[in-house]
Amino acid sequence: EVKLLESGGGLVQPGGSLRLSCETSGFTFSSYAMTWVRQAPGKGLEWVAVISGSGGSRYHAASLRRRFTISRDKSKNTVSLQMNGLRAEDTAVYYCARSRGSEHEALDSWGQGTLVTVSS
Amino acid sequence: DIQMTQSPSSLSAYVGDRVTITCRATESIGSHLSWYQQKAGKAPKLLIYAASSLQSGVPSRFSGSGSGTDFTLTISSLQPEDSTTYYCQQSFSMPLTFGAGTKVEIK
Repeated sequence: EVKLLESGGGLVQPGGSLRLSCETSGFTFSSYAMTWVRQAPGKGLEWVAVISGSGGSRYHAASLRRRFTISRDKSKNTVSLQMNGLRAEDTAVYYCARSRGSEHEALDSWGQGTLVTVSS
Repeated sequence: DIQMTQSPSSLSAYVGDRVTITCRATESIGSHLSWYQQKAGKAPKLLIYAASSLQSGVPSRFSGSGSGTDFTLTISSLQPEDSTTYYCQQSFSMPLTFGAGTKVEIK
C-alpha cells in the first residue's frame, strides 16, 4: 500500500523558515517523481514544485523559486520542501503527492496534508 | 504558463443526472490532462489521467474525453457522494497548473 505522510507544518512568523517532510512507503521511491501542492484556506489547488525520481530534475513555481526548494533523500524515501522568507500568503495546507511516473504524469497518491500558518 | 479554465465554477443537478464539466487550456497540451475530486477537509483524489483513462478503483460513471485544448469530465449518473469539488490539471509543461475548480451540488 502506498503511503505518504507529511510533517513539519505549524505556526511561523513572517520571514521565518520551515522544512516540510514527506515520508513515503509502499513503492519503489526512485521510480517516481514527487510533487508538492498547496491549498490556501477556502481556495483552490496550487502546484508548488516537482522533483524527478532520480532527483536530477526539479521545477518550482516561478513565484516561489527564490524561497522554496524541493529535495529528496533516497536513503530515507523522503521528499522535503524547504521554505524560507515565509509570508502570510504562504499560509496553506501543503500536500505531498506521487506522480504516476515522470514529472509529466498525474498525481495518483496524496498525503493527508500539513498546515502551515504564517502569522505574527 | 499554460492557464486552465474550468467551467462552470459551480453547478446544481439532480441525483441521476448526467453532469459535464469542461476544462480549456490556453495552448495544446495533448492528452496531458488529469481530473481530481476533492472532498471537504480531504486530500484530492485522482479520477482520470491522460485525459480519458480511469484511475483504478474509480466508479465507471466517471469518464473523461478531449485532447489538445478542450477537455470534459462527465458523470453519467450523479450520485449523492459526488457532491464536492472537481479540479483539472495539465502536466504537459512546467509549471503544472490546475483549474480553479468546479463545485457540484445536489438539488
